[in-house]
Amino acid sequence: ETGVTQTPRHLVMGMTNKKSLKCEQHLGHNAMYWYKQSAKKPLELMFVYNFKEQTENNSVPSRFSPECPNSSHLFLHLHTLQPEDSALYLCASKTGSSYNEQFFGPGTRLTVL
Amino acid sequence: QKEVEQDPGPLSVPEGAIVSLNCTYSNSAFQYFMWYRQYSRKGPELLMYTYSSGNKEDGRFTAQVDKSSKYISLFIRDSQPSDSATYLCAMSDRGSTLGRLYFGRGTQLTVWP
Repeated sequence: ETGVTQTPRHLVMGMTNKKSLKCEQHLGHNAMYWYKQSAKKPLELMFVYNFKEQTENNSVPSRFSPECPNSSHLFLHLHTLQPEDSALYLCASKTGSSYNEQFFGPGTRLTVL
Repeated sequence: QKEVEQDPGPLSVPEGAIVSLNCTYSNSAFQYFMWYRQYSRKGPELLMYTYSSGNKEDGRFTAQVDKSSKYISLFIRDSQPSDSATYLCAMSDRGSTLGRLYFGRGTQLTVWP
């Protein structure tokens, strides 16, 4: 596998379920990101990790819990979500200098019933 | 006021047309300007990148930045059906070592044969 991969690609869950999204990058990058993409809205940055350390939490509700065990893997743990959390969740990675292209995964399409 | 404004469209043009996509922004600290292309069911991929003001050309694509007007454009010449996608503008400031990007809402483009 190359680039940034995300699993699952689609997820349907009830409001009381607990699930996790997984992101893996094979690019040797040190920074990883979670974004939320909703229809007709800009990408919303949720979390930023640099060398496994969380450097930014963009006022995300606690029902979203990120985990970064190493520089190649990033998880987003979900629990007691709301229907308005239904969206495409994108993972991205980049190297550490000021400007570098962020490489995106294909996203997980999440539907909360 | 939103950081980055982008008309979401949709925009529909015939094959061979010249397409103009635009974004405006409010933060004068933005120095790096990008255009991402996102095909259906895929993550965004970097199409063009420009630093500060000026033009950049890559094949059928030209990116323009006018910092005095806080306005950026992407032109597509001889548009093809394969150009049908959502185009996202993104920008960041110099001080962001982790390259935090501010995105527009994206413009959905359809090029019909």
